[in-house]
Amino acid sequence: GQQVQQSPASLVLQEGENAELQCNFSSTATQLQWFYQSPGGSLVSLLSNPSGTKHTGRLTSTTVTKERRSSLHISSSQTTDSGTYLCAIADYNQGKLIFGQGTKLSIKP
Amino acid sequence: NAGVIQTPRHKVTGKGQEATLWCEPISGHSAVFWYRQTIVQGLEFLTYFRNQAPIDDSGMPKERFSAQMPNQSHSTLKIQSTQPQDSAVYLCASSLDGGALDTQYFGPGTRLLVL
Repeated sequence: GQQVQQSPASLVLQEGENAELQCNFSSTATQLQWFYQSPGGSLVSLLSNPSGTKHTGRLTSTTVTKERRSSLHISSSQTTDSGTYLCAIADYNQGKLIFGQGTKLSIKP
Repeated sequence: NAGVIQTPRHKVTGKGQEATLWCEPISGHSAVFWYRQTIVQGLEFLTYFRNQAPIDDSGMPKERFSAQMPNQSHSTLKIQSTQPQDSAVYLCASSLDGGALDTQYFGPGTRLLVL
């Protein structure tokens, strides 16, 4: 079945630094979503980006569909960005999302 | 816009008891998804409905788990004879029409603890 691998598993940065998160997937994906989850909190959809580059606020996602990879760039990180970032894909025939294990991001003041 | 509503937020049951989890999708959304999150397995798909019809239940354990969507405004996930390994956060999501290109919006989850 489809697999989603995220790296790194964890990342610790100082406030103000940029974060780069990676997502690789094993087969074609019609949809790719990045989510944020605070400790004990809900999943919040950040970006839907099945191909190309998308920006929202300090977030930039770049997905190269042919290479089966996506990245999430967080610029000028803030302590409130701390949490887990999850990548999920869906293929054309299936509405369900397959999730990676997530990247745990810690931003220190 | 209330978002996806899940009740209860927390549930503690004894081994062998039944647990029923409720989900109210975003108004106007026709697709409802159920997922389960544990530390070991991460986020796993369970089942989903479109226009109240079951579309894919490939992630549902074959025994003890069942899901229904009796009307557009709510879905239930029922676990019979709960076991400690059923302890997890159960997440419900909804989307406009359940297509692969749709964005899914998640509820806050129900944290189930089976003692």
